[in-house]
Amino acid sequence: EPEVTQTPSHQVTQMGQEVILRCVPISNHLYFYWYRQILGQKVEFLVSFYNNEISEKSEIFDDQFSVERPDGSNFTLKIRSTKLEDSAMYFCASSEGPRDSPLHFGNGTRLTVT
Amino acid sequence: AQTVTQSQPEMSVQEAETVTLSCTYDTSENNYYLFWYKQPPSRQMILVIRQEAYKQQNATENRFSVNFQKAAKSFSLKISDSQLGDTAMYFCAYSTDSWGKLQFGAGTQVVVTP
Repeated sequence: EPEVTQTPSHQVTQMGQEVILRCVPISNHLYFYWYRQILGQKVEFLVSFYNNEISEKSEIFDDQFSVERPDGSNFTLKIRSTKLEDSAMYFCASSEGPRDSPLHFGNGTRLTVT
Repeated sequence: AQTVTQSQPEMSVQEAETVTLSCTYDTSENNYYLFWYKQPPSRQMILVIRQEAYKQQNATENRFSVNFQKAAKSFSLKISDSQLGDTAMYFCAYSTDSWGKLQFGAGTQVVVTP
């Protein structure tokens, strides 16, 4: 069964550094998402992406965050200047459509900001 | 604002027994979607079951079934004939018109013991 793959599984970075989290969605999927889960807290929606643009974003997704689909396969989340509070598990997800098709999640990237 | 509440941080169940996880939500919408996701130690979020609010019939997927009480805004998950592989964190989630933008509860850790 096709899977959403995320790399790396664990990323350690220093505060103030830029970090890029990578995702390869399922090949025939058109909608892409990022979620995050701070340790001990709820999984939170960050952003949805379709047709090479953001379709919806949460309050968390401020100017420090950006997403991109640089080629036909990758979907990336960039954090420009990381803060300690950005430490979390980041999940990528994809779906065939906005309705009637479930999200398929990746295994997540654990980001640790020191 | 919609909120999803899971009041049971952890549930333990013996193999072959049944366990029920509770979930309540708050919304003023009439049409929406509810989900249960499973997150095993592998960290991948896997869709277990979904329910459309306009459907009165409770959804069932093999050993997993829900009890959807719209008036009470309750959406519980029943796992029958529990198996060791059911050990995971279970998240209840809510969505309105966009399946991609999910609001998650805090999760319930299910531990199945031999």
